[in-house]
Amino acid sequence: DAGITQSPRHKVTETGTPVTLRCHQTENHRYMYWYRQDPGHGLRLIHYSYGVKDTDKGEVSDGYSVSRSKTEDFLLTLESATSSQTSVYFCAISVSGTGDEQYFGPGTRLTVT
Amino acid sequence: GENVEQHPSTLSVQEGDSAVIKCTYSDSASNYFPWYKQELGKRPQLIIDIRSNVGEKKDQRIAVTLNKTAKHFSLHITETQPEDSAVYFCAASDQTGANNLFFGTGTRLTVIP
Repeated sequence: DAGITQSPRHKVTETGTPVTLRCHQTENHRYMYWYRQDPGHGLRLIHYSYGVKDTDKGEVSDGYSVSRSKTEDFLLTLESATSSQTSVYFCAISVSGTGDEQYFGPGTRLTVT
Repeated sequence: GENVEQHPSTLSVQEGDSAVIKCTYSDSASNYFPWYKQELGKRPQLIIDIRSNVGEKKDQRIAVTLNKTAKHFSLHITETQPEDSAVYFCAASDQTGANNLFFGTGTRLTVIP
């Protein structure tokens, strides 16, 4: 499982509330990613990080922010959750050091009511 | 950005037959093409990948071919088994420093015993 954990694994929240998802890795990999997975869309990149305090936007970054204050942790925050953010969120790490060979965490199922 | 199209969206084969899934990509500069297998309720798992300096790669019953001129790549599974039933995703990397992945929308493979 490449030493990746995500928390929480399931969450139900109300529209307008802030939500933070955590990704934790144990192997000090440089690159970390947040994806969302929705039926008919595959996996889409939200944000990624290439080091501590180094982050950038992905394909679907609107409504999301991230932080990486330690190598092992990458946080995804929904500042004000909306129903369109109901999804399964996967964290990934790259083991190659160059951004490819990505391995995924177990996922977080988020429901916004 | 990169655009990846994947076909077919569903595929049913008899146990022992071969299965082929095809993907096309838009960015001729893409140079890394992984394939992921996702079982129901689980994380995507990297099963094989290919880089642009190679035309074909094989790992036991799984092979991937790449045609850079035509900008398409394919996953071939031979001697299919019921445990091959899953959703398969292709992806292509972009040319940012992080080699971000763009995914196809997935193929649901069903192997009929």
